[in-house]
Amino acid sequence: EVQLVESGGGLVKPGGSLRLSCAASGFTFSNAWMSWVRQVPGKGLEWVGRIKSKTDGGTTDYAAPVKGRFTISRDDSKNTLYLQMNSLKTEDTAVYYCTTDTRRSVIWGQGTMVTVSS
Amino acid sequence: DIVMTQTPLSLSVTPGQPASISCKSSQSLLHSDGKTFLFWFLQKPGQSPQLLLYEVSSRFSGVPDRFSGSGSGTDFTLKISRVEAEDVGVYYCMQGIHPTWTFGQGTKVEIK
Repeated sequence: EVQLVESGGGLVKPGGSLRLSCAASGFTFSNAWMSWVRQVPGKGLEWVGRIKSKTDGGTTDYAAPVKGRFTISRDDSKNTLYLQMNSLKTEDTAVYYCTTDTRRSVIWGQGTMVTVSS
Repeated sequence: DIVMTQTPLSLSVTPGQPASISCKSSQSLLHSDGKTFLFWFLQKPGQSPQLLLYEVSSRFSGVPDRFSGSGSGTDFTLKISRVEAEDVGVYYCMQGIHPTWTFGQGTKVEIK
């Protein structure tokens, strides 16, 4: 069974940094493209970015609002996905989900809450 | 970015009755390989989204057959043949053809 478990959320001041992790199990993580999606509580879903598998180049794509501030990386030896968030803004406050990113399945973790507030 | 527009934004349904949600995209979701990358998700209260359908009409593992999808190009529909109490939540469509995924606004389904 595919499982994704996010961690690392919390309260951070504007301008601060935070790193989220997503521990994956139940599938061959190294072969998987992975994405991050966020959701302001009570609102809709917003894609944040993705990282391809190393065999597909390991490249990253980002949504415009986070480009240049957020960095997605992966450690295939640990089956773990990361989201490094720098220069955080109040509008980055949301639940952050990691997801698998394939054409036939998008499986979600339980999410981790990030609150950016002074 | 591709804009996804869902209607209605809310729906109140009597158990056992059908329900239908429309999703329209601002560009065709038909890929050159012949597949159409339109997903449907359900986010139950207090939970993360769960995949219902992929490629317009293919049910994901474990999804009841009362859920069905149809459509092509830019117009898509999710149908629930007989709504059950466990189907309450917010339904989202999502396009996966463009590298930047985009989602519909969500349709909140409640039970009468």
